[in-house]
Amino acid sequence: AQSVTQPDIHITVSEGASLELRCNYSYGATPYLFWYVQSPGQGLQLLLKYFSGDTLVQGIKGFEAEFKRSQSSFNLRKPSVHWSDAAEYFCAVGGHNQGGKLIFGQGTELSVKP
Amino acid sequence: EAQVTQNPRYLITVTGKKLTVTCSQNMNHEYMSWYRQDPGLGLRQIYYSMNVEVTDKGDVPEGYKVSRKEKRNFPLILESPSPNQTSLYFCASSAQYGPRSSYEQYFGPGTRLTVT
Repeated sequence: AQSVTQPDIHITVSEGASLELRCNYSYGATPYLFWYVQSPGQGLQLLLKYFSGDTLVQGIKGFEAEFKRSQSSFNLRKPSVHWSDAAEYFCAVGGHNQGGKLIFGQGTELSVKP
Repeated sequence: EAQVTQNPRYLITVTGKKLTVTCSQNMNHEYMSWYRQDPGLGLRQIYYSMNVEVTDKGDVPEGYKVSRKEKRNFPLILESPSPNQTSLYFCASSAQYGPRSSYEQYFGPGTRLTVT
């Protein structure tokens, strides 16, 4: 079955510290992978996406993610977290044979300590 | 500005009173979709549409209806809302054809629905 797992429901990091949010997926074909961010009371904004090619992708707001096919993972990283990064983060997987459908993980809520 | 709009943004209603949440996109996208977001469950797809007059069930379609009479609009209809449909609803659209980057979905701002 196709699925996305974000093992961490809630993470707290100190401002300026590095961040890694985990995402594991199960998908039968070549996956297209996405990270979205949802600030409180807001809609979802795309941070970055992976379709093919370089397995390290850069996104907006200083985020990056690395696709590791052998581990079925697409972890999101940021070297130095800012207080404004506090939000909920969603990993999603789709594919050419899915049309436009995305399967989302449960989300990881990020809190940032001053 | 390219965008997906939803109305209303907030709605409180009572059990059994029919309601419609509208969704409109101005990007000429073929694909449109409705999701509901519940704590701990992420986003789950309710219905989707590949193009005008083409709709299909997603993962949680029970209690919902949709229609796609125009390319830009994709309303979500709750014929007889129940309290378990209290949720945050998102409409999304994406281009179905063309470069692979079109699989990126653009989301509306969300509609918070409370059914009492």
